[in-house]
Amino acid sequence: QVQVQQWGAGLLKPSETLSLTCAVYSGSFSGYYWSWIRQSPGKGLEWIGEINYRGNTNYNPSLKSRLTMSLDTSKNQFSLKLTSVTAADTALYYCARWVATTHHFDSWGQGTLVTVSS
Amino acid sequence: DIQMTQSPSSLSASVGDRVTITCRASQDIRNDLGWYQQKAGKAPKSLIYAASRLQSGVPSRFSGSGSGTEFTLTISSLQPEDFASYYCLQHNSYPYNFGQGTKLEIK
Repeated sequence: QVQVQQWGAGLLKPSETLSLTCAVYSGSFSGYYWSWIRQSPGKGLEWIGEINYRGNTNYNPSLKSRLTMSLDTSKNQFSLKLTSVTAADTALYYCARWVATTHHFDSWGQGTLVTVSS
Repeated sequence: DIQMTQSPSSLSASVGDRVTITCRASQDIRNDLGWYQQKAGKAPKSLIYAASRLQSGVPSRFSGSGSGTEFTLTISSLQPEDFASYYCLQHNSYPYNFGQGTKLEIK
């Protein structure tokens, strides 16, 4: 059973860079898209973007100009960087695995609450 | 972007009731839709994929239907553990979009 564990800074000031990492344990890293999703009270669940094991990415256009996803296949890890954060980026951030054969997110990280406040 | 309009936003029901939640897509998404259940403090869990296919291990009281622009999630007989929030997700085209969610509460 694949496990996904995430970590990163939880308190940021406006204009700083949000940085989160997810590690994948007990499962294959290749053959999947690895995604980021966030959840805020005002906007519900928002798909941020994804990266596959080859490093191909798809980003939400609403965040694309500030967003970078990367991966380290040697460590089975993938990362998210979001620059120039504002209070609107305050949310619970999840990483998740997208299974293309059955078209669903099947494994999720535990979530990281990121608060942007001066 | 494809917008997903989910209704109702909240719903009060009793154990044993049959409930239906609806998602409408702003354009044709074929059957590229899934339903997720989220309990407080937990990540969402997949219930239905391809609009009507039940994920392994999900009770048969959950069912999904629809294609094109209109989709429904039905719970045939509510159980205490079903009180949670539910979201649809379209994955027909990028960016993927969730519905706004339905909070199912005990009456």
